[in-house]
Amino acid sequence: GQSLEQPSEVTAVEGAIVQINCTYQTSGFYGLSWYQQHDGGAPTFLSYNALDGLEETGRFSSFLSRSDSYGYLLLQELQMKDSASYFCAVRAFNTGGFKTIFGAGTRLFVKA
Amino acid sequence: EAGVVQSPRYKIIEKKQPVAFWCNPISGHNTLYWYRQNLGQGPELLIRYENEEAVDDSQLPKDRFSAERLKGVDSTLKIQPAELGDSAVYLCASRASTGGKDEQYFGPGTRLTVT
Repeated sequence: GQSLEQPSEVTAVEGAIVQINCTYQTSGFYGLSWYQQHDGGAPTFLSYNALDGLEETGRFSSFLSRSDSYGYLLLQELQMKDSASYFCAVRAFNTGGFKTIFGAGTRLFVKA
Repeated sequence: EAGVVQSPRYKIIEKKQPVAFWCNPISGHNTLYWYRQNLGQGPELLIRYENEEAVDDSQLPKDRFSAERLKGVDSTLKIQPAELGDSAVYLCASRASTGGKDEQYFGPGTRLTVT
């Protein structure tokens, strides 16, 4: 089967750095995505890692280790507007083609 | 560039009634997804289309749910009859099929309440 685990909640202070971890168990692993979702809003794509290593996009970075079935999202210089839910999502290939499976999400609270 | 459009944004119906949701994906996006999202959970795939073909409907409860994507553009998701447990946000997403990056663009969703 396919499963993803990420912490349910994380709290951090404005201006700080926070890391949201994601571990997965899946066959046919292809890549790991991260999405941000504000309350009442639509999920918004942040990043995608298919290869091991760190991908940086502004204040956000995403890391993948395929051998450890592990990835994380790193948010730097936290701002109040970063308070949202963050979902990791695995892209996997098996019978029936590609499939995207989302984790349950990590709710990030940024405090002043 | 216009984003993914969904309507209605909110819908309240009584159980056993039918309901339909509409989605217009980003122009040129061949892949279209319908997801269901319960409160505090991640999106769960209901059906995926490649152009007008439903290529993955393994998680669609086919006894009450149906979907179509006419001419490979707009799509409609229907529930008939609705049950209390169907209360959720129904999200539509689209993706350009070219390239390996799994970058999906989501619409604002339809929040369904079944009473």
